[in-house]
Amino acid sequence: QKEVEQDPGPLSVPEGAIVSLNCTYSNSAFQYFMWYRQYSRKGPELLMYTYSSGNKEDGRFTAQVDKSSKYISLFIRDSQPSDSATYLCAMTKANQAGTALIFGKGTTLSVSS
Amino acid sequence: EPEVTQTPSHQVTQMGQEVILRCVPISNHLYFYWYRQILGQKVEFLVSFYNNEISEKSEIFDDQFSVERPDGSNFTLKIRSTKLEDSAMYFCASSALGTNTDTQYFGPGTRLTVL
Repeated sequence: QKEVEQDPGPLSVPEGAIVSLNCTYSNSAFQYFMWYRQYSRKGPELLMYTYSSGNKEDGRFTAQVDKSSKYISLFIRDSQPSDSATYLCAMTKANQAGTALIFGKGTTLSVSS
Repeated sequence: EPEVTQTPSHQVTQMGQEVILRCVPISNHLYFYWYRQILGQKVEFLVSFYNNEISEKSEIFDDQFSVERPDGSNFTLKIRSTKLEDSAMYFCASSALGTNTDTQYFGPGTRLTVL
């Protein structure tokens, strides 16, 4: 079983739609969860991070963590064409300096105007 | 806004040759990382570096790889004898504290093509 599973898509939605992106993980040692956005041929850019179960909101983005189910989600409201990118979930284990981020494979999102 | 920079953007090399990929982390950051992304695959951790020592490394980071901070600004990844399977995007990242709640900022990557 892979440590982090993420449906690669692609996911195509019309402008204004609500988008739901999801990851599951197998290792209960993961404590911190992040969503990165990656445009084509660019480096990952952090969108959100959270470390507790529940919801965290930042503008049009909401990150949701359910540690009991080992399931995390990113919701994008009022999606825009500029949101078209690959979204990577990432997670790390308990506090250690210089800890590796473990990434999902990424979901490619296309928002059409 | 400060950012991580990487050079070159694209490196083409022959199998068996040595390559050095260069990164300039954000200036006040203390932890440095290398990741790679083979085309169509996930971003994979290679190594983290702090205080001139490797903090953590993955199974991928074998004896063919080495990292160095040769001066106060650069952070390099050396591959001694490149293989075809080393072809990938290599991302450098840096973070201020190295704790899990700290953000790792990624550079734009170097595309390495091994022929």
